[in-house]
Amino acid sequence: QLVQSGEEVKKPGDSLKISCKGSGYSFSTYWIAWVRQMPGKGPEWMGIIYPGDSDTAYSPSFQGQVTISADKSISTAYLQWGSLRASDTAMYFCARQGPLRGYFDLWGRGSLVTVSS
Amino acid sequence: SYVLAQPPSVSVAPGQAARITCGGSKVGSDSVHWYQQKPGQAPVLVIYYGRDRPSGIPERFSGSNSGNTATLTISRVEAGDEADYYCQVWDSSSDHRWVFGGGTKLTVL
Repeated sequence: QLVQSGEEVKKPGDSLKISCKGSGYSFSTYWIAWVRQMPGKGPEWMGIIYPGDSDTAYSPSFQGQVTISADKSISTAYLQWGSLRASDTAMYFCARQGPLRGYFDLWGRGSLVTVSS
Repeated sequence: SYVLAQPPSVSVAPGQAARITCGGSKVGSDSVHWYQQKPGQAPVLVIYYGRDRPSGIPERFSGSNSGNTATLTISRVEAGDEADYYCQVWDSSSDHRWVFGGGTKLTVL
């Protein structure tokens, strides 16, 4: 399973790092993606990381806006912001890419981030 | 970036079949994956690589592809199937590699 950190309420300009801890499988050998879902909208792929060597790729829509990292020693992936905006308010899911690649076969329950002054 | 077109809503009576389409220029060449998302929950993979079902997904869920349109078919629809359904493709040649459709709300009448 993938267990995500809890709900966050932040102010514009705050920094934030949310987490996603994997268990029950070999965390280092599966890519982990972060997916944003804004209220009433479809999912959007933000980026992906391979915990084994921290190889990372970002969607151009999110490049430079967020940082994805992982610590394989504790089977945890992270998504962080240096300076939050109100438009970052959304649900953020981590998801494991399936063994055949291209799809996500295991999802965390989501971390709700609210940014408001 | 690449766009996947889904109808906003589909309604069907219990016991009937629901068909949800997903259109795009690369649907024919790229495999389409389908997710079910119920309110307040994470998406759940129901079909991958066009027609394969993960373990635990009922046989009532099936996928097909014709030309540039993929279809998720739910046979003998039940009340518990009411949810949002999203298609998704993986374009390894693009920077926007994992693309989701806008979603279809399935209503069971």
